[in-house]
Amino acid sequence: AQTVTQSQPEMSVQEAETVTLSCTYDTSESDYYLFWYKQPPSRQMILVIRQEAYKQQNATENRFSVNFQKAAKSFSLKISDSQLGDAAMYFCAYRSGGDNNDMRFGAGTRLTVKP
Amino acid sequence: DTGVSQNPRHKITKRGQNVTFRCDPISEHNRLYWYRQTLGQGPEFLTYFQNEAQLEKSRLLSDRFSAERPKGSFSTLEIQRTEQGDSAMYLCASSLVTPGGYTFGSGTRLTVV
Repeated sequence: AQTVTQSQPEMSVQEAETVTLSCTYDTSESDYYLFWYKQPPSRQMILVIRQEAYKQQNATENRFSVNFQKAAKSFSLKISDSQLGDAAMYFCAYRSGGDNNDMRFGAGTRLTVKP
Repeated sequence: DTGVSQNPRHKITKRGQNVTFRCDPISEHNRLYWYRQTLGQGPEFLTYFQNEAQLEKSRLLSDRFSAERPKGSFSTLEIQRTEQGDSAMYLCASSLVTPGGYTFGSGTRLTVV
């Protein structure tokens, strides 16, 4: 079974600085997708960024980018120019590319942004 | 379309009572998922539907839990004889068949007292 590990329960960053959140996963599949979701306090989960395993190029969405290392099974999220609104729980998630493809989540990293 | 809608937002119930939650997915999404999230943890998969067919159920989904998606539209999740350990946020999400991100609802927070 696929597992997703986020080894940083909490992270802190100064406003306008850059922070990197770590994620590793375990799978024997070659076709899969990886995601980062943001969950602000008492609010719904929002998709931040998505990476297809077959793509070598790292995904980027404005201030958010990933470092996808397929051989190492690592998928870190970099947040540049951190803003107060970035404070939230961040979850890394894995989804198989097959037909039966529910999403598996890591335990999350709580990001605090200091003004 | 206003996204994935879940009702109620909060539910407090006494141990042993039955509760039912509703999820209305994005209309063009044919897949619907239920997850459970306890405090400080990531969402745990419970079950999912493609149209009206329930395709997979987690071992977390004991026989006290049942989910339906009549006519492939909205879905309900029922918990019978609730226990304190059932207290959690129950999240619903929907997606298209082709792999991609899910759209989540705001969740139903269940407290069993």
